[in-house]
Amino acid sequence: DTGVSQDPRHKITKRGQNVTFRCDPISEHNRLYWYRQTLGQGPEFLTYFQNEAQLEKSRLLSDRFSAERPKGSFSTLEIQRTEQGDSAMYLCASSLYQGYGYTFGSGTRLTVV
Amino acid sequence: GQQVMQIPQYQHVQEGEDFTTYCNSSTTLSNIQWYKQRPGGHPVFLIQLVKSGEVKKQKRLTFQFGEAKKNSSLHITATQTTDVGTYFCAGSEGNEKLTFGTGTRLTIIP
Repeated sequence: DTGVSQDPRHKITKRGQNVTFRCDPISEHNRLYWYRQTLGQGPEFLTYFQNEAQLEKSRLLSDRFSAERPKGSFSTLEIQRTEQGDSAMYLCASSLYQGYGYTFGSGTRLTVV
Repeated sequence: GQQVMQIPQYQHVQEGEDFTTYCNSSTTLSNIQWYKQRPGGHPVFLIQLVKSGEVKKQKRLTFQFGEAKKNSSLHITATQTTDVGTYFCAGSEGNEKLTFGTGTRLTIIP
């Protein structure tokens, strides 16, 4: 499978716990994006990497959120001290170059109870 | 900040009828992309428009980019049950970030 892979598909966590999600982009794609989507809404931009460099972060990304992309390959998104408002689908996407269409993964659905 | 709105929010059509969704940006865009998200699925890239006034067709789908590069539309002719889903436009101001619209959810009445 040469698509974008995300793990886990679902995560249920208690409020206050830390969670980490993983994204494996298409190997030739040097651009990687994290988006968050809540029910009935469009995806909201969180952050973007070009290779290993994190080049932009949304103001939505509080200091409880951190993302990494070591060696420009897979990426992780960590949420510390989760809150109920963090419940959403977290989508990862990759693209070959600026202006190229995104290929999205199937997402990680986070439920904070 | 940049906002991208779509109308209508929902559209129910009889199978075989046409469907149109409209996308409006608060800022001038360098390009606009369209995505389709099936129920329970993830967004799938359909097309990108770059030039002012550009029109592109994919079988029964026609995409337009406005002259001022602030609006766009997607028209589907003779809808089929496979067209069910939410259609999102997503605009870029020239940087890497795509701002997604609010989406139009299409349901088909057989």
